[in-house]
Amino acid sequence: QVQLQESGPGLVKPSETLSLTCTVSGASISIGGYYWSWIRQPAGKGLEWIGRTYIGGSTNYNPSLESRVTISADTSKNQFSLYLNSVTATDTAVYYCARDPGGGSGANWFDPWGQGTLVTVSS
Amino acid sequence: DIQMTQSPSTLSASVGDRVTITCRASQSVNRWLAWYQQKPGKAPKLLMYNASTLKSGVPSRFSGSGSGTEFTLTISSLQPDDFATYYCQQYHNWYTFGQGTKLEIK
Repeated sequence: QVQLQESGPGLVKPSETLSLTCTVSGASISIGGYYWSWIRQPAGKGLEWIGRTYIGGSTNYNPSLESRVTISADTSKNQFSLYLNSVTATDTAVYYCARDPGGGSGANWFDPWGQGTLVTVSS
Repeated sequence: DIQMTQSPSTLSASVGDRVTITCRASQSVNRWLAWYQQKPGKAPKLLMYNASTLKSGVPSRFSGSGSGTEFTLTISSLQPDDFATYYCQQYHNWYTFGQGTKLEIK
């Protein structure tokens, strides 16, 4: 059973870089043709896709965040990470990592998800 | 960008009721649509993909239909565990989510 777990600082200062890591257990991120994504949800609001990585392939970002986002992977640790720079209060949200099964149209549904981690941007 | 609009935003219903949630896309997404259930403080859980394919283990009282720009999620007989917020998500052109429909106890 695949499980994802987010980790990282819960508090980030404005203008600094938000860094989160998703640790995957129960499956190798290098195998299976999956896409590994980050998604966020401000309190009381909807869900926003941030970006995804495909091990050995491309990384894609939401155009609205592309200038500030980097997603990378460490296959030796079976992890992938999110870096969001120049953060402001509007980046305060619960951040989720999730798996897209790949194939088909190139984008798919997300399953499973990590439990999520709250990141607050405040001085 | 493809915009996804759900209606209603809030739905009040009782145990045993049949309820339907609608999701409309700003342009055709064929059948590339998923539905999720989210409870407070928890991650969304996949219910359905490709508009009408139920994820294994999801109760059969959940069903989905539609194609193109209009989709529905129907719960045939509400159970206490079903009161939650539901989101649609298109994956025809990257990924966008609806704003959510909160299903409340009447």
